[in-house]
Amino acid sequence: DAGVTQSPTHLIKTRGQQVTLRCSPKSGHDTVSWYQQALGQGPQFIFQYYEEEERQRGNFPDRFSGHQFPNYSSELNVNALLLGDSALYLCASSLAEGAGGSGELFFGEGSRLTVL
Amino acid sequence: KQEVTQIPAALSVPEGENLVLNCSFTDSAIYNLQWFRQDPGKGLTSLLLIQSSQREQTSGRLNASLDKSSGRSTLYIAASQPGDSATYLCAVPEILNDMRFGAGTRLTVKP
Repeated sequence: DAGVTQSPTHLIKTRGQQVTLRCSPKSGHDTVSWYQQALGQGPQFIFQYYEEEERQRGNFPDRFSGHQFPNYSSELNVNALLLGDSALYLCASSLAEGAGGSGELFFGEGSRLTVL
Repeated sequence: KQEVTQIPAALSVPEGENLVLNCSFTDSAIYNLQWFRQDPGKGLTSLLLIQSSQREQTSGRLNASLDKSSGRSTLYIAASQPGDSATYLCAVPEILNDMRFGAGTRLTVKP
């Protein structure tokens, strides 16, 4: 049973560039959430996608955008990169409660973004 | 706004010791609480999920309790092993789908 997979695992960008991160949810899951984790801190919620729509958004600027595809996979896009965007970006999947989900989140290994 | 605090920030114990990690949250109107483990530079591994109607959950040497009224949860690790060394994080929902995390407790188990 494949867990949550993320790509790429590491990437380096320069200020002002754009980046796309990808996530495939755990088999059977229909909901994808994205989190940003700075060094030494807990993850912070960016947004959640369900049925190809952004269902909820955290306190992040519009430079952060996403997409969910019909196969439930998801992308996180960040435009006009800043030095402060350097972090571990984590994808979490879950099964919607209406579909029998318990609310439990399962995380991928993350994408480490370094902005120079 | 939900705030999650974990104490202590770091803990070092000898192998074989039983230990307790603490998590507190400010808004007791939660519908679940989840404990995770994170190894350096890695993603989060789900350890235990406690629904609001439950008082505790057990998995192997791990036991997590939940006291909603006091806004507290504890993670008990029995007979600690060097392989248990990691950062342990607790998380509770803010609004529906926004999980709020503590900063974690960094555990070191010495052989």
